[in-house]
Amino acid sequence: DGGITQSPKYLFRKEGQNVTLSCEQNLNHDAMYWYRQDPGQGLRLIYYSQIVNDFQKGDIAEGYSVSREKKESFPLTVTSAQKNPTAFYLCASSILNIQGNVIQYFGAGTRLSVL
Amino acid sequence: GQNIDQPTEMTATEGAIVQINCTYQTSGFNGLFWYQQHAGEAPTFLSYNVLDGLEEKGRFSSFLSRSKGYSYLLLKELQMKDSASYLCAPFRTNAGKSTFGDGTTLTVKP
Repeated sequence: DGGITQSPKYLFRKEGQNVTLSCEQNLNHDAMYWYRQDPGQGLRLIYYSQIVNDFQKGDIAEGYSVSREKKESFPLTVTSAQKNPTAFYLCASSILNIQGNVIQYFGAGTRLSVL
Repeated sequence: GQNIDQPTEMTATEGAIVQINCTYQTSGFNGLFWYQQHAGEAPTFLSYNVLDGLEEKGRFSSFLSRSKGYSYLLLKELQMKDSASYLCAPFRTNAGKSTFGDGTTLTVKP
């Protein structure tokens, strides 16, 4: 059963608390991504990683942190500095094949709410 | 999305054909994704165009013109289950990342 697994499906954060969203993939994809989606809007890139032990900021990285210690895993921490964290968080992974085509799939997402 | 334009909403009739357009600034983009997203769910991969022209996959086809910064998704023989948002996402190969439009919400009516 291959794919991208995000957990938990629902998460509640108390004020001042850091929370970590898990993303694991067994597709052997090199690149992994975190997006945020607010109601009625498209996806905005938070962080991405093209290789183990390296990652880059996306368009809305403030208040978030990531690590990429293993190829399979790309956890996202929503820190207390993120003042409006309520959103749908999506993890994706991708691979570039020899023909130049990119294959990119998403996990099922984590819905984060503030208590 | 950043300089990515898609119609906000479209409505079509079951069994008909609908074309969803997407325009974007061409600088640095090498290919383009189309995704389908049902309400409350994650996006599902539909297509990735890296060459200009039309690619057909069953009822769905996607067209790309990189020089014009233009793409469209063509849905044939519409079914009620095709009611969803359709996301256009140009991709930069060198940077290894996509930029997403805000999506087009398609409603299919009987």
